[in-house]
Amino acid sequence: EIVMTQSPATLAVSPGERVTLSCRASQSVRNNLAWYQQRSGQGPRLLIFGASARATGIPARFSGSGSGTEFTLTISSLQSEDFAVYYCHQYDDWAPITFGQGTRLEIK
Amino acid sequence: QVRLVESGGTVVQPGRSLRLSCAASGFTLTVSAMHWVRQAPGKGLEWVAVMSYDGRTENYVDSVKGRFLISRDTSQNMVFLHMNGLRLDDTAVYYCVRGGYGVSDAFYFWGQGTVVTVSS
Repeated sequence: EIVMTQSPATLAVSPGERVTLSCRASQSVRNNLAWYQQRSGQGPRLLIFGASARATGIPARFSGSGSGTEFTLTISSLQSEDFAVYYCHQYDDWAPITFGQGTRLEIK
Repeated sequence: QVRLVESGGTVVQPGRSLRLSCAASGFTLTVSAMHWVRQAPGKGLEWVAVMSYDGRTENYVDSVKGRFLISRDTSQNMVFLHMNGLRLDDTAVYYCVRGGYGVSDAFYFWGQGTVVTVSS
């Protein structure tokens, strides 16, 4: 099983700031990595797939990078609606598919 | 417009069975892998099961193998999760998720979830 480790677990930031979230895989997942946003009380929403491709309708302030075992999600200027939990997800090995434990963005 | 509506969640005793349903619209099941993902209270996301676009391939997380079964009805465009031998740690919100054409792809669209509570 590929273990996905996200850091930090929680991050307190101010609106307008730039933030970078990290995700590390226990073995290479090539670029088969996605990022999701989950707002309180809602189902997750796809932000990034293929490590760096934005999903339909996702604002340009969200960007993803990385390959192999190290990945990042950057939000260039935090908006109020971006305070949520973010998960990375590897789909290189589908037996089983695995998620990171999540990073919670909180308002400072 | 893609829409996924889950139903069937309820309170159930340990050891009992339950079937979750997912009504899909805006696309046909024959072009997408379909997944179930769950989230225990206050916890992260856990992938549960997948069925391939052609219905020929299934896979499950180890903790539900032999107890859960994913199925579909293409005539109704619905996906199901049959859960047997329910345990306390199966308590979670269960999401129906549309994948890509292959089973190894991102999760492109999620439903709002249905709540399963296993309690005596």
